[in-house]
Amino acid sequence: GQQVMQIPQYQHVQEGEDFTTYCNSSTTLSNIQWYKQRPGGHPVFLIQLVKSGEVKKQKRLTFQFGEAKKNSSLHITATQTTDVGTYFCAGYTGGFKTIFGAGTRLFVKA
Amino acid sequence: DGGITQSPKYLFRKEGQNVTLSCEQNLNHDAMYWYRQDPGQGLRLIYYSQIVNDFQKGDIAEGYSVSREKKESFPLTVTSAQKNPTAFYLCASNGPFRGDQPQHFGDGTRLSIL
Repeated sequence: GQQVMQIPQYQHVQEGEDFTTYCNSSTTLSNIQWYKQRPGGHPVFLIQLVKSGEVKKQKRLTFQFGEAKKNSSLHITATQTTDVGTYFCAGYTGGFKTIFGAGTRLFVKA
Repeated sequence: DGGITQSPKYLFRKEGQNVTLSCEQNLNHDAMYWYRQDPGQGLRLIYYSQIVNDFQKGDIAEGYSVSREKKESFPLTVTSAQKNPTAFYLCASNGPFRGDQPQHFGDGTRLSIL
């Protein structure tokens, strides 16, 4: 079946270091969404990418959608302790099913 | 404020018991979803509903049941047939009509076995 693989599973960084998480889909995606889940909380929508090769920025966060629309990445520049949480990508291929990756849990040491 | 309300926040189930998790939204969204999240894992789709009186099985529907009698409400019943129900359950919604819109999540219900 359709799968969205996300790596790494965990990432420990020192505050101020950069962080990147990657998503790969087994099929071409119509769009990809990114969510953040703080510890003990629920996923919160960050951004949606639709176009091939699209790049979007939100302050220190940079999101990319691959040319083939099968992979995506989230890069955080100069991490802060407020960035702690799990980052999920979610791929949409049609209908009403969005497939979530397993998430990358980010730990930031002050 | 518009949003999704899940209740209860914590729930304990005895062996052989059915329990129902509530999910209500006032976002006027058409589609609603139930996900299961196990520790350190992603979200797995249990059921979803595109419209009132219609719902579809997700990837892990066995041992669960749902209803969608009102647009605002999408309760999930965890039946005694679900042998490993301990997990974090998240309800979500999006709309209108199209499934490609970002999903809004409730605060979740943590279910444990007594």
